[in-house]
Amino acid sequence: AQSVTQLDSQVPVFEEAPVELRCNYSSSVSVYLFWYVQYPNQGLQLLLKYLSGSTLVKGINGFEAEFNKSQTSFHLRKPSVHISDTAEYFCAVQANAGGTSYGKLTFGQGTILTVHP
Amino acid sequence: SQTIHQWPATLVQPVGSPLSLECTVEGTSNPNLYWYRQAAGRGLQLLFYSVGIGQISSEVPQNLSASRPQDRQFILSSKKLLLSDSGFYLCAWSASYEQYFGPGTRLTVT
Repeated sequence: AQSVTQLDSQVPVFEEAPVELRCNYSSSVSVYLFWYVQYPNQGLQLLLKYLSGSTLVKGINGFEAEFNKSQTSFHLRKPSVHISDTAEYFCAVQANAGGTSYGKLTFGQGTILTVHP
Repeated sequence: SQTIHQWPATLVQPVGSPLSLECTVEGTSNPNLYWYRQAAGRGLQLLFYSVGIGQISSEVPQNLSASRPQDRQFILSSKKLLLSDSGFYLCAWSASYEQYFGPGTRLTVT
């Protein structure tokens, strides 16, 4: 089984400041990793994903994340945030274990990012 | 391109009433389909998933059920709602590694 821990439930930052949202995971098998964003009363939108290859992945809206296998982390970063980045962000993992995983995602509890002017 | 629809967008139901939420996907064939619930202040909990018509797997024991009568239709039901069933219900589909989510249904049980 997999588990995901998002280390900060809320992160307040000022506009144009850098931000890092932290995510650690636990799994007995290799995993695929995802970050999703959710705006109020909407569904989740995929920001970026790590499947294999380069450990630094770039996503939409200027976000990037780095996969660190030794630290079992997948932290999300943005060098300069905007007011419009205010939302809840979810880290998720999927076991890379073949047939029976059926693409099931295990989510963290979410981090609310609030960008202040 | 693929799109996913959910309805209704919001629903207020009394305790003990039945429930039917519908999800449909367009632009893809034989997707995996998922129902999640997001309770206030919590993450997403996978309720059901389906890999094909009539094939439903339940992740959490509860008074909800799911059905997949057609390839791109996924229905979440209950015979009698509980207060604890309140939440934001999300349908998702996948054909590969990533999942794509619908707009959600906000259910309030009173």
